[in-house]
Amino acid sequence: AQSVTQLDSHVSVSEGTPVLLRCNYSSSYSPSLFWYVQHPNKGLQLLLKYTSAATLVKGINGFEAEFKKSETSFHLTKPSAHMSDAAEYFCVVSTRSNDYKLSFGAGTTVTVRA
Amino acid sequence: SQTIHQWPATLVQPVGSPLSLECTVEGTSNPNLYWYRQAAGRGLQLLFYSVGIGQISSEVPQNLSASRPQDRQFILSSKKLLLSDSGFYLCALNRGSETQYFGPGTRLLVL
Repeated sequence: AQSVTQLDSHVSVSEGTPVLLRCNYSSSYSPSLFWYVQHPNKGLQLLLKYTSAATLVKGINGFEAEFKKSETSFHLTKPSAHMSDAAEYFCVVSTRSNDYKLSFGAGTTVTVRA
Repeated sequence: SQTIHQWPATLVQPVGSPLSLECTVEGTSNPNLYWYRQAAGRGLQLLFYSVGIGQISSEVPQNLSASRPQDRQFILSSKKLLLSDSGFYLCALNRGSETQYFGPGTRLLVL
């Protein structure tokens, strides 16, 4: 079985300050982990993915995430938020045992204050 | 690179009417195709996936059905819409274990 828990349903930050979005996963097998971003009324865009290579993964738009097996976490960070980062973010897990089907977290909505 | 098209972008339908949403892909062959629904303020739920022409797997029992008449075409249908069918419908593709990529979505409002 596999599942994802996003620990914050909503995060509010000031422009130029760091962003932290927390994600914990549960998986019986070695997981692949993803972060997707969704802007209002748009499809999902892949930010970054972890697939058993380097544990620190760098993605687009200055985002990065660190896979910590001991903590079963895959938190997403960005050193300096931009107004365009306001969106909904989904943490996602897949495993070979589940035919690589995706399991989504409930999402975290990020608002950025000027 | 691959591209996913979804049509229409927005749809308002009365309860009890039929539904047909289309997803077509370009730039790849033999993809796995997926239909997801996103209800307001919630995450994504996998509805159907297909590994090839005519091959459909349903993930949850519901009022909807899917078909794959061509390699690069995936259709989501209903004979009679329910209010609960309202949501944002996303088509996605991948090949094997690779990353899934998503289309722009169709917003459906059932009144």
